Amino acid sequence: GAGVSQSPSNKVTEKGKDVELRCDPISGHTALYWYRQRLGQGLEFLIYFQGNSAPDKSGLPSDRFSAERTGESVSTLTIQRTQQEDSAVYLCARGGTAGGSDTQYFGPGTRLTVL
Amino acid sequence: QKEVEQDPGPLSVPEGAIVSLNCTYSNSAFQYFMWYRQYSRKGPELLMYTYSSGNKEDGRFTAQVDKSSKYISLFIRDSQPSDSATYLCAMSAIGDYKLSFGAGTTVTVRA
Repeated sequence: GAGVSQSPSNKVTEKGKDVELRCDPISGHTALYWYRQRLGQGLEFLIYFQGNSAPDKSGLPSDRFSAERTGESVSTLTIQRTQQEDSAVYLCARGGTAGGSDTQYFGPGTRLTVL
Repeated sequence: QKEVEQDPGPLSVPEGAIVSLNCTYSNSAFQYFMWYRQYSRKGPELLMYTYSSGNKEDGRFTAQVDKSSKYISLFIRDSQPSDSATYLCAMSAIGDYKLSFGAGTTVTVRA
């Protein structure tokens, strides 16, 4: 596989509830990304972690979204006060190298449904 | 206008046919070009990676990049039912870790 596991695989929640999504990459890869994939659309960048550097949060759509990662370990994406438009597949990717440039290897995703 | 345009299809072909997929883009700084395959309810899987212009072949798959036209293609020869999936193009500029994705083209190969 891609060396990235995500949990849960599916999450159904009610509007207004908070959810926490987990990404667990294999060790040895400092770069970690979160993307959102809405039905029939391409992947939207959310946030990027690189080692102990400050994360790039420029893709987070609102302050209801936050993410954490300590070092090269597990990352969690938290969505507070979920809305129906948050329904999507949330994908986590680890960094890799191909031909001298970073590329990304994805986990299976968490399918979030907000009722 | 989206930075990366990709016809969502769907595309349906008989087994053994050549599948032709393409993307256009607007950002001339893009130098790295990738194709991902995504099976239903799975994460995207890196299929092909190319740098700058030119062709790259890997088994039944050929990726082409024409930077002058801002146009990339993926060809699948001797298509198989197992090739049925959504194909996503992605690209990035030098030094930019963010990937810009197309919307994906859904392909069905009929046995």
